[in-house]
Formats: sequence, structure tokens, C-alpha cells
Amino acid sequence: QVQLRESGPGLVKPSETLSLTCTVSGGSVSSGSHYWSWIRQSPGKGLEWIGYIYYRGMSNYNPSLKSRVTLSVDTSKDQFSLRLNSVTAADTAVYYCARFDGHNVFDYWGQGTLVTVSS
Amino acid sequence: QSALTQPASVSGSPGQSITISCTGTSSDVGFYDLVSWYQHHPGKAPKLVIYEITKRPSGVSNRFSGSKSGNTASLTISGLQAEEEADYYCCSLAGSGTWVFGGGTKVTVL
Repeated sequence: QVQLRESGPGLVKPSETLSLTCTVSGGSVSSGSHYWSWIRQSPGKGLEWIGYIYYRGMSNYNPSLKSRVTLSVDTSKDQFSLRLNSVTAADTAVYYCARFDGHNVFDYWGQGTLVTVSS
Repeated sequence: QSALTQPASVSGSPGQSITISCTGTSSDVGFYDLVSWYQHHPGKAPKLVIYEITKRPSGVSNRFSGSKSGNTASLTISGLQAEEEADYYCCSLAGSGTWVFGGGTKVTVL
């Protein structure tokens, strides 16, 4: 059974960089069939797709966040990561990592991690 | 891209059927047959319940069904059960390999 787990600081100061890592177990980020995704949910709002990355480095981002987001993959550790720079309070959210599969769905998700942007 | 539009809440009694709508545009829901639905119990990982508009993943009850007409997709839960009280989100391809979710619908079992 594939499992994903997010990790990283729960508090980030405004204007700084939010960094999160997702560790994959029961599967491999090098799987040729999947992309690896980040999705967030701001308080009281719906889900927002941030972007996804293939193990070879190809990626795609939400146009509204593209200028501030970088995704990366570490195949040796079966991890993928999110960096979001110049954060503001509007970036406060629960951040989820998820696997994106060949049926064009997010089929496995982490439990999510709350990141608060505050000084 | 704008979030897909869902009703904020839908309620029903046990055993009843409910339907959640998901309205997009001719650039996302209306253009692609790639709408999926996720069930989310707060504090847990979201769970896929419908993909490609009408298909159910293995293990998902056949009381969940999906459809689409024009720019609006719908999720129907028949024979509503207490454990299906949750938030539900639709999702669609929005072009250029990007994805958009709905604002979410809180389903309450009365």
C-alpha cells in the first residue's frame, strides 16, 4: 500500500520560503506511471492544486503560483519537495502531497500538514 | 483558472439520495471528460470516489455515481449513510496540464 507523509516547519515568517517534503513508502517516486503533486487547502476554502513533478524533473504548476513555486524530486530517498517563496498570510493552509496516476486522478494522499505564515 | 463552483452544503436523511453539482466552463469541465470526485473527512487524507466522470475505483460503493452535462458535473450518493457525512470536492483538467478543484460541498446526514 502506497503511503505519503508530509514533513516540514509548521510556522513560516512572511516573505520567507515555505519548504515541505513528502516521503513515499510502499512505492517509488521513480515509477514511470506517476507524477507527484502538491495540493493545499486554505482555512475555510476549497482545495487548490499547486503543481506536480515527474521523477525525471518535468513539472507543471498552477499559473497563479508558478512564479513562486519550485518542485523537486530526490529519487534516492523516495521523496519530493515543495518550495514556495515570498509567502504571505494568504499561504497559510494545510498542504497535502499526493500521487497523480495514469487515470488522471490523485489516487493516494498524505494526511496533510498545517503551515501557518505569521511573524 | 477559477475554482469550480459547488454548493456549500447538501443534506439528506439516511437512505435518501443526494446530488452535488460542480459547475465549470467550456475550458475545463465542459471540454474534458476528466472530472473526478474526492471524499474528505476532516483530518484524514482525501479519498477518490469517482474518476473520468462516471468510473468508480475498486472498493468504492456502487451507491456513488457520476455524470456530466455541458459545463456541469454531478456526484450522486444513493442510499445515504451516516459515514458518508464529509466534504466532497470535484476536480477537472483545466488545460495545459493544469488542474482545478471545486470549492467543496459539506454533506450532512440528518
